[in-house]
Amino acid sequence: DVKVTQSSRYLVKRTGEKVFLECVQDMDHENMFWYRQDPGLGLRLIYFSYDVKMKEKGDIPEGYSVSREKKERFSLILESASTNQTSMYLCASWTDSYEQYFGPGTRLTVT
Amino acid sequence: AQKVTQAQTEISVVEKEDVTLDCVYETRDTTYYLFWYKQPPSGELVFLIRRNSFDEQNEISGRYSWNFQKSTSSFNFTITASQVVDSAVYFCALIVSGNTPLVFGKGTRLSVIA
Repeated sequence: DVKVTQSSRYLVKRTGEKVFLECVQDMDHENMFWYRQDPGLGLRLIYFSYDVKMKEKGDIPEGYSVSREKKERFSLILESASTNQTSMYLCASWTDSYEQYFGPGTRLTVT
Repeated sequence: AQKVTQAQTEISVVEKEDVTLDCVYETRDTTYYLFWYKQPPSGELVFLIRRNSFDEQNEISGRYSWNFQKSTSSFNFTITASQVVDSAVYFCALIVSGNTPLVFGKGTRLSVIA
C-alpha cells in the first residue's frame, strides 16, 4: 500500500516563527502536492512538484515556499507564520494513472 | 480553466435512506478524469473512485454507485441504505491529462443519523 506520512498531526506555533511541514511518500512517486483545507473553502492547492528540485505554484502560494531535495520528501515552509495560516495542511502524491494518495494531515494553529 | 461544483454543502439523512451527492464539472478538454474522495472525521482523504472521460458506464461498488453523464457534465455519487459510518465530507475532483493538478469541489458534508 502507498503510504504518505506527515511529520505532525497537530502543531502549535507562534506568529512570526518559521514552520516546516514535512511529507514523505514511500512509493517512488514523481508527483507531490501540498493543499490547505479550510471550512467552506474545500482544498486549495499551495504548491506542487513533478520532479526533484522542481516546484510549481498552486492557487495560493503567498506566504509559503517548498523544498524537494529528494524524490520521497516534499516540505512546505511557512517563512513567517501568521494567524491566517491556521489551517489543516494535506500532502499528497500520485501515480502516473492519477490515483492520488493523501497523508493524514497536519492541523496547524498559529497564535 | 477547470471547475468542480458541489452545490450541496451539507446533507442530513436518516440511516437506511438512499442519498445522492451531486457533482458538476467544467472543462474544455476532451480527456479528463473524475474522482470521488471521502474524508471521515479522522481527517484523512480516502480515494473512492476514478473515472475517465471516455468511459460513461455507471459503476457500482457495494452500496456505492456513480452516475457519469457527459451530456450534463455531472458525476453523481449515490449511497444506498446509508449507514452512520458513511458520515463524512465527500469531495469530487477533476484532472485533465498532463501535468496539471487535481481541481476539487468544496465538498459535501453528509451526516447519517441513527
